[in-house]
Amino acid sequence: EAGVAQSPRYKIIEKRQSVAFWCNPISGHATLYWYQQILGQGPKLLIQFQNNGVVDDSQLPKDRFSAERLKGVDSTLKIQPAKLEDSAVYLCASSLAGVNTEAFFGQGTRLTVV
Amino acid sequence: GESVGLHLPTLSVQEGDNSIINCAYSNSASDYFIWYKQESGKGPQFIIDIRSNMDKRQGQRVTVLLNKTVKHLSLQIAATQPGDSAVYFCAENLQGAQKLVFGQGTRLTINP
Repeated sequence: EAGVAQSPRYKIIEKRQSVAFWCNPISGHATLYWYQQILGQGPKLLIQFQNNGVVDDSQLPKDRFSAERLKGVDSTLKIQPAKLEDSAVYLCASSLAGVNTEAFFGQGTRLTVV
Repeated sequence: GESVGLHLPTLSVQEGDNSIINCAYSNSASDYFIWYKQESGKGPQFIIDIRSNMDKRQGQRVTVLLNKTVKHLSLQIAATQPGDSAVYFCAENLQGAQKLVFGQGTRLTINP
């Protein structure tokens, strides 16, 4: 079974620039998550999709972050404009049906904002 | 790859010994708990889960214990091996919110 695919693996941008991350979940997984992991901390949920609908985006900084999952499969997470404190690893995960089932994580995208 | 969690609590054990990693969770209404293992440069990997109607669950070389009275979760790893070196996170599902919340994590290092 193919895992969760994310790209790019690494990205370095200057503050105030924009950046986008892409995620392809495991085939058939209805639930998709984006997490932000700052160095030294546990992952923090940014947004959760069920198919192409948003279940939870309460911790997404909506003034600069946006995410979409138009066809209920792939997803993109965008930051515009980026700030220094956005430097983190952005993890995508997917599960068959919600948080009470095992979530599989991708390798993440490491973002450095300079 | 770059290490995840440079300032995490650390547990050092001798190879072959048993490891016990502890976690205090925040919400008494949480009904589902997961332990994840995260190696350097990789995403978290599922180890074992437990639901709130259970006190103990065993897997291959791992056991999770849940004490709901004191909101405490532990992960026991038997006969610790070098490949067990990683950061371990507990995560809880906030019942009703359907949101998985991760703890800070513990770095496990293995001494030869």
